[in-house]
Amino acid sequence: GIQVEQSPPDLILQEGANSTLRCNFSDSVNNLQWFHQNPWGQLINLFYIPSGTKQNGRLSATTVATERYSLLYISSSQTTDSGVYFCAGKFDYKLSFGAGTTVTVRA
Amino acid sequence: KAGVTQTPRYLIKTRGQQVTLSCSPISGHRSVSWYQQTPGQGLQFLFEYFSETQRNKGNFPGRFSGRQFSNSRSEMNVSTLELGDSALYLCASSLALGQGYEQYFGPGTRLTVT
Repeated sequence: GIQVEQSPPDLILQEGANSTLRCNFSDSVNNLQWFHQNPWGQLINLFYIPSGTKQNGRLSATTVATERYSLLYISSSQTTDSGVYFCAGKFDYKLSFGAGTTVTVRA
Repeated sequence: KAGVTQTPRYLIKTRGQQVTLSCSPISGHRSVSWYQQTPGQGLQFLFEYFSETQRNKGNFPGRFSGRQFSNSRSEMNVSTLELGDSALYLCASSLALGQGYEQYFGPGTRLTVT
């Protein structure tokens, strides 16, 4: 099956800092999505981004489908940004997830 | 528009018992998928339903089964529970099958098997 590699696995930030999370795919995928898992376990949709760049407030994402990677940018981080971020791509019929990046933002 | 809902939110069962989890998709969504999340294996695909038919299945034993009703609501059942079935079970809905459809997740059911 497809391999989804997320980096870094852990990220500690000071409030106000910027960061970049990366997601690499071993094969071409469709339906690329970024999620934030809240402390109660729910996956919150951040971006649906098969290709190109999108922005939503302090978050933005870029997918370069031809090179099989996607980036999630967090600017001016806040403590509420803490949590686990997952990328997932649809290969064949199912969403395949990376192992996640755990982000800790310190006040 | 209401999001994906899952019931119950928490469940404690004993080994050997069976359990049924429920998922109601976003109104108008016809595809429902189930995922299992564990610390060791991460998020893994269980199965996908569309128009009351199981369309795809992940690599899980036959103890894991599911169904979808005519109103698109879905249930999954796990029989003869094992300790390793302790996990967060997430349901996701999308408008339809195939590519090009964003998936939206419910809050999950946290199952503990003792």
